[in-house]
Amino acid sequence: AQSVTQLDSHVSVSEGTPVLLRCNYSSSYSPSLFWYVQHPNKGLQLLLKYTSAATLVKGINGFEAEFKKSETSFHLTKPSAHMSDAAEYFCVVVYGGSQGNLIFGKGTKLSVKP
Amino acid sequence: EPEVTQTPSHQVTQMGQEVILRCVPISNHLYFYWYRQILGQKVEFLVSFYNNEISEKSEIFDDQFSVERPDGSNFTLKIRSTKLEDSAMYFCASSETGLTSGSTYEQFFGPGTRLTVL
Repeated sequence: AQSVTQLDSHVSVSEGTPVLLRCNYSSSYSPSLFWYVQHPNKGLQLLLKYTSAATLVKGINGFEAEFKKSETSFHLTKPSAHMSDAAEYFCVVVYGGSQGNLIFGKGTKLSVKP
Repeated sequence: EPEVTQTPSHQVTQMGQEVILRCVPISNHLYFYWYRQILGQKVEFLVSFYNNEISEKSEIFDDQFSVERPDGSNFTLKIRSTKLEDSAMYFCASSETGLTSGSTYEQFFGPGTRLTVL
């Protein structure tokens, strides 16, 4: 079955330090990959997406992710964490032929310490 | 900025009762979706809907579930006879285009309805 794995359920960083949230997906033809963020009591907001164009994808709020086919990874990074980045982050994959069936990872809760 | 809205934010019901969860997608969107997240588990796809019919559904979406677009703005999820295991956060989403549009594809999510079945 198609799946996506977020390797850390909780990541804690200090403000101003880099953020790395890890994601691996099961290999398949033409996946599209997304990172969504959810702040408390808010809907899921799209951070960035990979849809077979450039492998290094830039998103909102300074986040980036790199699609690495050889490693089946799509890790999310940010050079310098801000307190407002504290939230839950979901790595999501959808495969060609789907009618929009997004497959979610379990989520990584990011905490940012002052 | 346009957004997907959902009502109610929290619904409490007795086991065996019918519930209807309501969603108002973004106005020019044509594709609609429901997902759910049981506490502590992954967000799971339930169903996608386009052109007034279901285009894909998961194993979870059995005969107890139905979806409808009763007018030009609402998109509803009905659970006919709720079970304890239906307790979850239910998210509605919509997209302007289908997946084949490539780089412009994006699903916009509502804030969710928390359903509690007692």
